[in-house]
Amino acid sequence: DIQMTQSPSSLSASVGDRVTITCRASQSINNYLNWYQQKPGKVPNVLIYGATNLQSGVPSRFSGSGSGTDFTLTISGLQPEDFATYFCQQSYGIPFNFGQGTKVEIK
Amino acid sequence: QVQLQESGPGLVKPSETLSLTCTFSGGSIKNYYWTWIRQSAGKGLEWIGRISRGGIHYNPSLKSRATLSLDTSNRFSLTLNSVTAADTAVYFCAREVVLGSSVAFDPWGQGTLVTVSS
Repeated sequence: DIQMTQSPSSLSASVGDRVTITCRASQSINNYLNWYQQKPGKVPNVLIYGATNLQSGVPSRFSGSGSGTDFTLTISGLQPEDFATYFCQQSYGIPFNFGQGTKVEIK
Repeated sequence: QVQLQESGPGLVKPSETLSLTCTFSGGSIKNYYWTWIRQSAGKGLEWIGRISRGGIHYNPSLKSRATLSLDTSNRFSLTLNSVTAADTAVYFCAREVVLGSSVAFDPWGQGTLVTVSS
């Protein structure tokens, strides 16, 4: 199995901050990496697919980078509606494992 | 647009069998994989498995306890036997989609909480 490790597990930030979340795969997954946002009581929604591609309807302040084993989700100018938990997910091989999540909280 | 809804008992006794159904509307069962994912406080999001008319794949971590089936043209099911407290989670069904060349999950059902307890 490919293990996905996110860091940090949580962070506190202010509106307007630039936030960076990292995800590391236990082996190379090329660019088969997706990012999701999940708000309390809601389902995860795709933000970024293929490591760098913005899903339709997602604000451009979200961006993804990386390939191989190391990936980054960046939020440039945190907005109040961005306080949520973020997950990475690999689709290189079955099982399609997720990272453990990063909770972004208000400072 | 496709909408999915999970249904099934919210409480299952240890060692018994968990059975959930996902009913979807607004789309066809053809040409997609249909997926079960669970979320617990201890293990985060865990991919359980996927099913299509062309095949079935399971997460090996479930040690063959899981069974997926396509029941009708708009319903599929999950059975998990010999449950323990570790199987307590919110269970989601979702459609698998290919975005670019990456497999993702969209949309999701709202999720159903299953508690394993005597």
